[in-house]
Amino acid sequence: SAVISQKPSRDICQRGTSLTIQCQVDSQVTMMFWYRQQPGQSLTLIATANQGSEATYESGFVIDKFPISRPNLTFSTLTVSNMSPEDSSIYLCSVDGGIYGYTFGSGTRLTVV
Amino acid sequence: KQEVTQIPAALSVPEGENLVLNCSFTDSAIYNLQWFRQDPGKGLTSLLLIQSSQREQTSGRLNASLDKSSGRSTLYIAASQPGDSATYLCASGGYQKVTFGIGTKLQVIP
Repeated sequence: SAVISQKPSRDICQRGTSLTIQCQVDSQVTMMFWYRQQPGQSLTLIATANQGSEATYESGFVIDKFPISRPNLTFSTLTVSNMSPEDSSIYLCSVDGGIYGYTFGSGTRLTVV
Repeated sequence: KQEVTQIPAALSVPEGENLVLNCSFTDSAIYNLQWFRQDPGKGLTSLLLIQSSQREQTSGRLNASLDKSSGRSTLYIAASQPGDSATYLCASGGYQKVTFGIGTKLQVIP
């Protein structure tokens, strides 16, 4: 199954700033998924990123707040823009490994102060 | 809309005990059911994947079963160890869609 390197693993950011999270996959994948996990909650899908096209955002998430790049089949970034304390969460990227199921990155623990 | 529920929300057991974690889902039209482990502040590690045509999967001390007709899956952990302490999540896989439960937080006491 695919291996995903995600960074940074954690960060503490000031209100109003932006943070870009990177995910690198060791094999080519068509779709990459970005999730948010708020404290004590389950995972919520933010968007699906396809190479060469705009990401598809789920209800409640917008491109201005969570811009995503997908320059090639092994790499994607998620930016959390104009952060507020409510954005404090764990952010995860994921790929569908087919018969191996979904694989996740190691997560980015974001704290906004 | 698929809903996934996990019971109990938290569980504390002494080391060596066998235990069962439960997962239920409302829509039985799933492609697969996957169990994950999550350590605090970290990503998800896949433990077991059961395809919709399968009844169970085993890996070491872990055994997961799937009953689509009743909308249930269980994760059995044998001879629990302190290193098993983590949150366990189940996820139902559909067409380009995965729905997660909120997890069961397990603490194994030495």
